[in-house]
Amino acid sequence: DQQVKQNSPSLSVQEGRISILNCDYTNSMFDYFLWYKKYPAEGPTFLISISSIKDKNEDGRFTVFLNKSAKHLSLHIVPSQPGDSAVYFCAASGGGATNKLIFGTGTLLAVQP
Amino acid sequence: DAGVTQSPTHLIKTRGQQVTLRCSPKSGHDTVSWYQQALGQGPQFIFQYYEEEERQRGNFPDRFSGHQFPNYSSELNVNALLLGDSALYLCASSLVQGGNGYTFGSGTRLTVV
Repeated sequence: DQQVKQNSPSLSVQEGRISILNCDYTNSMFDYFLWYKKYPAEGPTFLISISSIKDKNEDGRFTVFLNKSAKHLSLHIVPSQPGDSAVYFCAASGGGATNKLIFGTGTLLAVQP
Repeated sequence: DAGVTQSPTHLIKTRGQQVTLRCSPKSGHDTVSWYQQALGQGPQFIFQYYEEEERQRGNFPDRFSGHQFPNYSSELNVNALLLGDSALYLCASSLVQGGNGYTFGSGTRLTVV
């Protein structure tokens, strides 16, 4: 049972445009959501998070939107840069940021120069 | 400031053997979690250690065991290795009272032949 789903295995975007990565979840007990970026041969790197009491969180070029009624979150990257090319994982937790994380399968983002 | 350090980086073992992977958490962190990432999948939670005890456990068999030492470092042991245990094993550290999520290491790539 996949509780966190990233239905797009890959996404290609032109440099300077917006990248939108999507994530759906099924467990209504999740109360904290995170996005991680992963380059080959490296561990996941924390990007941005959002608590279930909010519907939006911004950090520079990265914004995460949470729609609790739809059990959906998205990561917007504006403007996209070639260095953003990586695998992006959505993760969810049922007990705050340091409880166990349930990850999606990832989306490979390719930003074309 | 050293992040999370894992050793070894790569390992090849034979079916039926036993393996020990090691992790040193980020300075100041007191909690260590282990994740298994199979090819094409997101990381899956194995277990989490705090105060030298297992706090949470994911859906992994008893062949997977761990330990946390007084200096917060940790080991992951896998007995009776199966071909399906081939994966990237990620260690992540955090503060039990912290709200900033996990810091991941670069992982140990285990290949079982």
